[in-house]
Amino acid sequence: EAGVTQFPSHSVIEKGQTVTLRCDPISGHDNLYWYRRVMGKEIKFLLHFVKESKQDESGMPNNRFLAERTGGTYSTLKVQPAELEDSGVYFCASGGRPGETQYFGPGTRLLVL
Amino acid sequence: EDQVTQSPEALRLQEGESSSLNCSYTVSGLRGLFWYRQDPGKGPEFLFTLYSAGEEKEKERLKATLTKKESFLHITAPKPEDSATYLCAVQAMDNFNKFYFGSGTKLNVKP
Repeated sequence: EAGVTQFPSHSVIEKGQTVTLRCDPISGHDNLYWYRRVMGKEIKFLLHFVKESKQDESGMPNNRFLAERTGGTYSTLKVQPAELEDSGVYFCASGGRPGETQYFGPGTRLLVL
Repeated sequence: EDQVTQSPEALRLQEGESSSLNCSYTVSGLRGLFWYRQDPGKGPEFLFTLYSAGEEKEKERLKATLTKKESFLHITAPKPEDSATYLCAVQAMDNFNKFYFGSGTKLNVKP
């Protein structure tokens, strides 16, 4: 069974540019989560989808971040415009039922110059 | 505020030298505590879930235990391939979809 996949694995952009990260959850998982780890800090929750609906976006840092999950399958996280402090590793996770184990993808390493 | 603290930040062991990693937490009603292993450049890999004080889970050389305030990950006779960062995450009763992570313990096992 394929795990959670994320694309790209790395992205280097300049301040002010736009970047879109993609996450494909484990097949059949309705719950999809985005997390982020910035340098030297712990992994922090960004938001949670159940199918195509946002259940909790309390961790989204500001309105430069937009997450979507059209059709309830893959999800995208867009950062527009990117700022230096957005650099970090963005992880996606998926789970079969709410509250159960979350399975993580390999992450996207974003560097904003 | 919900908080997770892991100690030590880093741990160097000789192969075969057993030790324990600590995860202490403050959360408004614990629903579950999760241990993950993370290798460099990869995402967290699920190891264990613990739900109630006194619960224990084992997998190969690893054993996780839980009390009302902390969890331990015991590593018995570690091997170099156990070298990784071990992450602890908790979920609270009032929002069990949001995991709170600790900063991790980076374990290095030398042959």
